[in-house]
Amino acid sequence: EVQLVESGGGLVQPGGSLRLSCVASGFTFSDYNMNWVRQAPGKGPEWLSYINSSSNTIYYADSVRGRFTISRDNAKNSLYLQMNSLRVEDTAVYYCARNRTLDVWGQGTTVTVSS
Amino acid sequence: DIVMTQSPDSLAVSLGERASINCKSSQSVLYNSNNKNYLAWYQQKPGQPPRLLIYWASTRESGVPDRFIGSGSGTDFTLTISSLQAEDVAVYYCRQYYNNPWTFGQGTKVEIK
Repeated sequence: EVQLVESGGGLVQPGGSLRLSCVASGFTFSDYNMNWVRQAPGKGPEWLSYINSSSNTIYYADSVRGRFTISRDNAKNSLYLQMNSLRVEDTAVYYCARNRTLDVWGQGTTVTVSS
Repeated sequence: DIVMTQSPDSLAVSLGERASINCKSSQSVLYNSNNKNYLAWYQQKPGQPPRLLIYWASTRESGVPDRFIGSGSGTDFTLTISSLQAEDVAVYYCRQYYNNPWTFGQGTKVEIK
């Protein structure tokens, strides 16, 4: 079964950091481009970042550029999102998703930024 | 950034009737070199992640019932549910993946009348 499982969310104070992980199974992770997408409470999804299969092409949304860093470890079938300088408005469910079409999604991990 | 605007924001349709959702992009998402529209549709039910229904504007994802039909080109697109079923109650989003940042519409909530 094709599956993505996120972890690493939690409660953090403004200005703090978190590192999210996404572990893939059921497909050859190293063949696929990957993304992070978030969804704030009661809002629509927001695409955040893309990394291609070999990590040599990376894109970010303006809202997170300079604060968040996407990376991957193909040997560990894992995708990461390092989040620094977190703001209250970063509170959301964070999903990893496969491919440019976002054809497979994880169940998400919740990040709450609050003092 | 390409702005995606969906209409209506919500609609209520009787079981077995047709539901249509429109999505308009602020600029064309048709890539002329391959004649593909970089437009996808997603369905999201409460407490679940979005689910890909349609990509390239009209290609149904594997396992998606054939009552879901995507159409349109350039800047104007439509998702049609040909015969609404109870399990189709959800929020539907369009998304362009033509230009970064890839952007979603605001969503359309579909309910049973």
